[in-house]
Amino acid sequence: EAGVAQSPRYKIIEKRQSVAFWCNPISGHATLYWYQQILGQGPKLLIQFQNNGVVDDSQLPKDRFSAERLKGVDSTLKIQPAKLEDSAVYLCASSFPGTSASGPDTQYFGPGTRLTVL
Amino acid sequence: AQSVTQLDSQVPVFEEAPVELRCNYSSSVSVYLFWYVQYPNQGLQLLLKYLSGSTLVKGINGFEAEFNKSQTSFHLRKPSVHISDTAEYFCAVSDRGGGYQKVTFGTGTKLQVIP
Repeated sequence: EAGVAQSPRYKIIEKRQSVAFWCNPISGHATLYWYQQILGQGPKLLIQFQNNGVVDDSQLPKDRFSAERLKGVDSTLKIQPAKLEDSAVYLCASSFPGTSASGPDTQYFGPGTRLTVL
Repeated sequence: AQSVTQLDSQVPVFEEAPVELRCNYSSSVSVYLFWYVQYPNQGLQLLLKYLSGSTLVKGINGFEAEFNKSQTSFHLRKPSVHISDTAEYFCAVSDRGGGYQKVTFGTGTKLQVIP
């Protein structure tokens, strides 16, 4: 079974430029997550999709970050314009939704995209 | 609101020695608890999770963790570590509310196994 795919793996940009990241989840996984992992910190959820609808985007800086999952499969995360503090690893994860009685869904993570903003 | 505290940012340990990585959580409701491992330049991988039942949870790669409700802890242990266990370990918590369940991660503990 193929895992979560992300591209690019590395990206270096200058501040105020734009950047986009792509994620393809595991086949059949309806739930997709984007996390930001700043060096020395744990992953922080930016946005969660259920199929192509947004479940939680409370920690997404909406003035500069946007994400979409148009056909309920792959997703893109965009930053425009980038700031120095956006330097981080952006992780995509997916899960197959179970029932709330069975506990939380196991999330499967991609390798991440390391963004450096100069 | 829920939170996770991993007190040790780095833990060096000699190969074949035992190790314990500490995790404490805070939540106003009952929780689910997780440990994830992240190898260099890779995404996170689930090691084990506590949902209910027995407080001792066994995971992959010989790791286990014990849920202690009175101390709000979920420490990760392995009786004998290998070089290949060198990685960063994240504790995470999710509340038991119905419907949407958000996972909150700790800041991570880097385990360095010394040959």
